[in-house]
Amino acid sequence: GAVVSQHPSRVICKSGTSVKIECRSLDFQATTMFWYRQFPKQSLMLMATSNEGSKATYEQGVEKDKFLINHASLTLSTLTVTSAHPEDSSFYICSARDAATGTGLNYGYTFGSGTRLTVV
Amino acid sequence: QKEVEQNSGPLSVPEGAIASLNCTYSDRVSQSFFWYRQYSGKSPELIMSIYSNGDKEDGRFTAQLNKASQYVSLLIRDSQPSDSATYLCAVLQGGSEKLVFGKGTKLTVNP
Repeated sequence: GAVVSQHPSRVICKSGTSVKIECRSLDFQATTMFWYRQFPKQSLMLMATSNEGSKATYEQGVEKDKFLINHASLTLSTLTVTSAHPEDSSFYICSARDAATGTGLNYGYTFGSGTRLTVV
Repeated sequence: QKEVEQNSGPLSVPEGAIASLNCTYSDRVSQSFFWYRQYSGKSPELIMSIYSNGDKEDGRFTAQLNKASQYVSLLIRDSQPSDSATYLCAVLQGGSEKLVFGKGTKLTVNP
């Protein structure tokens, strides 16, 4: 089945620094990838939709200058948390769809293993 | 804002019992519905997808969809302690690729 690899799994950084998270589709091409954030005991909240070769689409309330997304190839999207602060500490998860499945109903999204970010 | 509502639980059932998880959604044009299981500290994993009204069975899992009532459910038969997790209902927003998640129902299966 489809596999999405996400790295790093855990990262601790100092306040004010930047952190990059990678999301790779290992055995399929993904024209679209999605970035979610999950706070403790909360559900997944979509932050942005990453489109290969174009600018990401951010959800309302998500600062695009703080959460930089790059989707330079059909298998790689990156999320950079710039000038991280303790309130950015969260579980960040990416997901991807197989471009080959088109827009038919019969698809599901594959999730990466997540990145636990702690800003101290 | 399209919404997906779930009973947050916790839901506790004895081993071997049937666990019933429910979900309602507000977007009437949604056509794709998913149940994910999420263990603590892990990312979600897809259990079931359903697109047509009625029941869909896969092993011990049965998903039920009623579009008229905007209701989706997941039944887990012969519940096992390993089924203990948070179950997330997700709905594909009509006309888009966005998945909207409910807050999840925490299930505990007691040995």
